Amino acid sequence: QQQVKQSPQSLIVQKGGISIINCAYENTAFDYFPWYQQFPGKGPALLIAIRPDVSEKKEGRFTISFNKSAKQFSLHIMDSQPGDSATYFCAASNDYKLSFGAGTTVTVRA
Amino acid sequence: SAVISQKPSRDICQRGTSLTIQCQVDSQVTMMFWYRQQPGQSLTLIATANQGSEATYESGFVIDKFPISRPNLTFSTLTVSNMSPEDSSIYLCSVVGGATEAFFGQGTRLTVV
Repeated sequence: QQQVKQSPQSLIVQKGGISIINCAYENTAFDYFPWYQQFPGKGPALLIAIRPDVSEKKEGRFTISFNKSAKQFSLHIMDSQPGDSATYFCAASNDYKLSFGAGTTVTVRA
Repeated sequence: SAVISQKPSRDICQRGTSLTIQCQVDSQVTMMFWYRQQPGQSLTLIATANQGSEATYESGFVIDKFPISRPNLTFSTLTVSNMSPEDSSIYLCSVVGGATEAFFGQGTRLTVV
């Protein structure tokens, strides 16, 4: 039973466009919500993370929006670039243990 | 962020054999974990590697199949025992640094034939 639900499974965006990935959770004990970027053959790399007492966090072109009451959070990739083509995983942490979403494969077309 | 080195990076093993994966961190860390990523899938937590005591396993994972050692605060091993093709996965070591950030090694890509 997946504790974190992620959608869409894949998306294609034009260069310069916005990529949006959504995640939802049920366990209110989760207290930390990171996003990871993974390229083929590589381990996941921490991209950006948020705590539930913050509604939004922005780092460069990447923004997390967090809705605690709805138990949902999302990643926005602004001005998408071909180098952003990767698989993105949302995750939620309880006692430092991560539960991952199923992943979203993002393809940025030049 | 911590630098995590895993060995081997990949291996092809015969069914019925065992493989030990090493994870070395460049600084002392309190929390170390082992995850599995099956082909084309997400990551699943196998266990927490506890320094000086037995690992804590998640539901569906047992010590006889995935024995873990953690002799100090910078090193851990995961053994995949009596392998079958279903064990073909990427095995990833993870550490928690700073407040809560979790970092991953490059992973060990295991193929069982």
